[in-house]
Amino acid sequence: DAGVIQSPRHEVTEMGQEVTLRCKPISGHNSLFWYRQTMMRGLELLIYFNNNVPIDDSGMPEDRFSAKMPNASFSTLKIQPSEPRDSAVYFCASSLAGTGHGYTFGSGTRLTVV
Amino acid sequence: AQSVTQLGSHVSVSEGALVLLRCNYSSSVPPYLFWYVQYPNQGLQLLLKYTSAATLVKGINGFEAEFKKSETSFHLTKPSAHMSDAAEYFCAVSDSGGSNYKLTFGKGTLLTVNP
Repeated sequence: DAGVIQSPRHEVTEMGQEVTLRCKPISGHNSLFWYRQTMMRGLELLIYFNNNVPIDDSGMPEDRFSAKMPNASFSTLKIQPSEPRDSAVYFCASSLAGTGHGYTFGSGTRLTVV
Repeated sequence: AQSVTQLGSHVSVSEGALVLLRCNYSSSVPPYLFWYVQYPNQGLQLLLKYTSAATLVKGINGFEAEFKKSETSFHLTKPSAHMSDAAEYFCAVSDSGGSNYKLTFGKGTLLTVNP
């Protein structure tokens, strides 16, 4: 298995632009999680899906952030408009809910908003 | 509600010395417990997990952790540190069972290994 695949690995964009981060979970996993990691705030859960349905989006910072999971093999996290304070590493993780296997993380997308 | 406390945001050891990273949890139901490792510029990688079988859990790279219910602890140890162990380590807890679950992560402990 190729693991959780995130793209792009690095993204540099100008303030005000739209940014879309992509994630392909492990085949067969039914839960997907988006995290943001910064030096100041550590690892923050933004949103998670179970069977493609958003379960908890309480961690989404504000309306500029949105996430979708149109099918079991693809999810996006969109920021519109982007701001410098959104600069962080964004991780996607997937799991098989309820089995105690834990999460498998992707390699992350390092976002820089200038 | 679940929570995890990692004591010490930074631990420094000498190469060959014992590694001890502390984790205490709070959970209203029997927990699943995990340790993850994050090397620089990489994602988090599962090191080991406790899911109510043996209380002493062995993981990759010579690490192990012991679940102590009476102390609500799940400390991570390695008898002899290697330079390659330098990384950030995260403890996490989840409810056992259920169809929807999420991990609650600690704030992480940065391990430095000195030559």
